[in-house]
Amino acid sequence: GENVEQHPSTLSVQEGDSAVIKCTYSDSASNYFPWYKQELGKGPQLIIDIRSNVGEKKDQRIAVTLNKTAKHFSLHITETQPEDSAVYFCAAPKGGSQGNLIFGKGTKLSVKP
Amino acid sequence: KAGVTQTPRYLIKTRGQQVTLSCSPISGHRSVSWYQQTPGQGLQFLFEYFSETQRNKGNFPGRFSGRQFSNSRSEMNVSTLELGDSALYLCASSLWQAEGGYTFGSGTRLTVV
Repeated sequence: GENVEQHPSTLSVQEGDSAVIKCTYSDSASNYFPWYKQELGKGPQLIIDIRSNVGEKKDQRIAVTLNKTAKHFSLHITETQPEDSAVYFCAAPKGGSQGNLIFGKGTKLSVKP
Repeated sequence: KAGVTQTPRYLIKTRGQQVTLSCSPISGHRSVSWYQQTPGQGLQFLFEYFSETQRNKGNFPGRFSGRQFSNSRSEMNVSTLELGDSALYLCASSLWQAEGGYTFGSGTRLTVV
């Protein structure tokens, strides 16, 4: 079945630096790749997503890149700020667009002021 | 517009008891998915309901069950609680399917003693 691997599990950066989180997936039918941010005491919140017909998508300081051939996708955060500190999850649908989302194990990002 | 509402926020139950958790999705959303979140296993998919029918199911024992009502509200039930069922249970709603993104509730923190 679908498997999503996420690296690193923890990431510490200085404020203003960039952060990159990488995921790989196994199901070739996956065509939608969202990223979620979870702050303490809250549910995950969708921050950006990309569909399989697009290689890159940007939204202000965050961007996602997708390499369908290699089954990789990555989250890039530039000019990090302390409020970016949270746990980030990547996900991919199992078996196509009507499948449930399979989540990576998460990356705890700490941004030091 | 109101977000996804989960009740109760916290629950403490004794081994062997049963529990029912409730989720009210965003108005107009017809898909409701349930996830179990633990530090060791991360976000694990329980089941998804769409138009009152279970559309997808994860690999959890039959003690875990759910249902969806005609107004899209959903409940999940766990019978014969075990210590290992202690977790944050998250409900997520979407218009039709995972593509387009889930909106998560803040979860129900279940502690089994």
